[in-house]
Amino acid sequence: DAMVIQNPRYQVTQFGKPVTLSCSQTLNHNVMYWYQQKSSQAPKLLFHYYDKDFNNEADTPDNFQSRRPNTSFCFLDIRSPGLGDAAMYLCATSGPGPYQPQHFGDGTRLSIL
Amino acid sequence: SQQGEEDPQALSIQEGENATMNCSYKTSINNLQWYRQNSGRGLVHLILIRSNEREKHSGRLRVTLDTSKKSSSLLITASRAADTASYFCATDARAGGTSYGKLTFGQGTILTVHP
Repeated sequence: DAMVIQNPRYQVTQFGKPVTLSCSQTLNHNVMYWYQQKSSQAPKLLFHYYDKDFNNEADTPDNFQSRRPNTSFCFLDIRSPGLGDAAMYLCATSGPGPYQPQHFGDGTRLSIL
Repeated sequence: SQQGEEDPQALSIQEGENATMNCSYKTSINNLQWYRQNSGRGLVHLILIRSNEREKHSGRLRVTLDTSKKSSSLLITASRAADTASYFCATDARAGGTSYGKLTFGQGTILTVHP
């Protein structure tokens, strides 16, 4: 059973046209993360939530925003996508505590035309 | 940067052989984790080793951690074609008092196991 679900799996948008990616979880985890992964690179953390507390990484572009309306859902908004934003976007969750793994969804592959 | 470096970048072996991947990192950690990623999919957690542990096993996986050298290795024994994937190490270096981790991933090793 899927525990972290990302929709859609593939998203195509136009240069400059806002796009929203979604993530839901059935694990009831406190922490949710968004990563960007470009081709043949390591996943890079964009931001994360601990419950409703939002934490932005210092080098995350202002173009990227996130919302977490409840425990189960989290959204990634890209306000004006540029060609450099084409990537796989991965959502992950973890429980609190010192030694918790992260559980990933299958990602959304974003293409910019 | 905390980011780990992995070695080799790519590894090609025959089914039944062992595969060893190495990871180095730069600062103190709470724990180190290994993940597998099949092409076009999300990451799957394989194993977590705490900073006070030196070795951990899970099925055909064996992970070692040497905090004095700031390095870790992942050994997959008796590899199978289904083990073909990218493997990433990730370090959790949480700030004091934080109850959850943020991971910094290495660049990954692409493992190809030929039938």
